[in-house]
Amino acid sequence: SQQGEEDPQALSIQEGENATMNCSYKTSINNLQWYRQNSGRGLVHLILIRSNEREKHSGRLRVTLDTSKKSSSLLITASRAADTASYFCATVRTGRRALTFGSGTRLQVQP
Amino acid sequence: DAGVIQSPRHEVTEMGQEVTLRCKPISGHDYLFWYRQTMMRGLELLIYFNNNVPIDDSGMPEDRFSAKMPNASFSTLKIQPSEPRDSAVYFCASSFGSGGGNTDTQYFGPGTRLTVL
Repeated sequence: SQQGEEDPQALSIQEGENATMNCSYKTSINNLQWYRQNSGRGLVHLILIRSNEREKHSGRLRVTLDTSKKSSSLLITASRAADTASYFCATVRTGRRALTFGSGTRLQVQP
Repeated sequence: DAGVIQSPRHEVTEMGQEVTLRCKPISGHDYLFWYRQTMMRGLELLIYFNNNVPIDDSGMPEDRFSAKMPNASFSTLKIQPSEPRDSAVYFCASSFGSGGGNTDTQYFGPGTRLTVL
């Protein structure tokens, strides 16, 4: 079953704008990961943040984690049309190895 | 590295037929996962293996589903008999469990799109 929810479910922005997606989860975790899925394709790993980290950067991506609120956010800065995809957060629960996915956010970047 | 390889990429079959999905993990990875993606349920874990041994199969829907990993470079997911509700995209992923679960990144294959008529 899904670990939690992501919001918004869908987001449409203009190229160059920033996109922020939020994820909530329910249990204690080892880490939280964000994946991208282009239409009809597999999942591509974007970034991993450990449970003892609060913020992490990778290129145009910034991820925050608030374990007290059981929530995370993914910020994509200066978005491009090529960023159009679905974005999923996934958690690795404490003591486990498998990923539990959120419901995903569909991002549309208009050129 | 070729990444995780899955075959077939698309499978169309009739209800009642046996379906076998195949996966080759990234060389050197010791964890292999099978996930399923549907519109209704999203992405969910079916089963995962560590060093070819099944560790958690709690996500396997029912006895019609079975998974094996006869060696470190090959795994199968079998559905017998198949039903229309099994229609989904099935993903295989692998990881190297060096971080004790804290930093493991899973690498996904392209998926198999299964349609059961």
